[in-house]
Amino acid sequence: SQQGEEDPQALSIQEGENATMNCSYKTSINNLQWYRQNSGRGLVHLILIRSNEREKHSGRLRVTLDTSKKSSSLLITASRAADTASYFCATDPWFGGATNKLIFGTGTLLAVQP
Amino acid sequence: NAGVTQTPKFQVLKTGQSMTLQCAQDMNHEYMSWYRQDPGMGLRLIHYSVGAGITDQGEVPNGYNVSRSTTEDFPLRLLSAAPSQTSVYFCASRGNEQFFGPGTRLTVL
Repeated sequence: SQQGEEDPQALSIQEGENATMNCSYKTSINNLQWYRQNSGRGLVHLILIRSNEREKHSGRLRVTLDTSKKSSSLLITASRAADTASYFCATDPWFGGATNKLIFGTGTLLAVQP
Repeated sequence: NAGVTQTPKFQVLKTGQSMTLQCAQDMNHEYMSWYRQDPGMGLRLIHYSVGAGITDQGEVPNGYNVSRSTTEDFPLRLLSAAPSQTSVYFCASRGNEQFFGPGTRLTVL
């Protein structure tokens, strides 16, 4: 079964607005990662947050992690039409040691209207 | 660096045929993996390898074989294709971050 579940499944906003996507997962993790996928293309790594971190920034991206709730959020500020893509969270599970199995959620489809 | 390359980009097979999806990386990464992506299912891990000569199963390994004779190459073999294997297949390699190939779109009739 999927480790991560993103919410919402789809999101449509206007250019300039902020977009927030959430990810929930089931097991203890070593880290959580966010990826972007443009239509018909491979995935691109955006940001990684470790289990002992609570917040991380990269440009217009802000990621938070709440390990007590087993959830993470990705915030894209001042969105652009070029941000239109699917966004996936992926967890690196921890079962007393690294599992080497990066498990992906089902994704959020973001559409930014110009 | 070419990163992660996959061939072919598209493939159509008949049920029962076999084929190998090729994957290569030039970043000297030890960890490589194969995923399939189906609508509404996200990416699911098929097999992975933590180094040459070492492979292990992911979430959905049935119907697929892998081998890792070199650090650079990680081919995925379908021994007897089934319509349920129609999907987009992504190879990835991981150092400090994970890099994905462009994908192979496979249709099994």
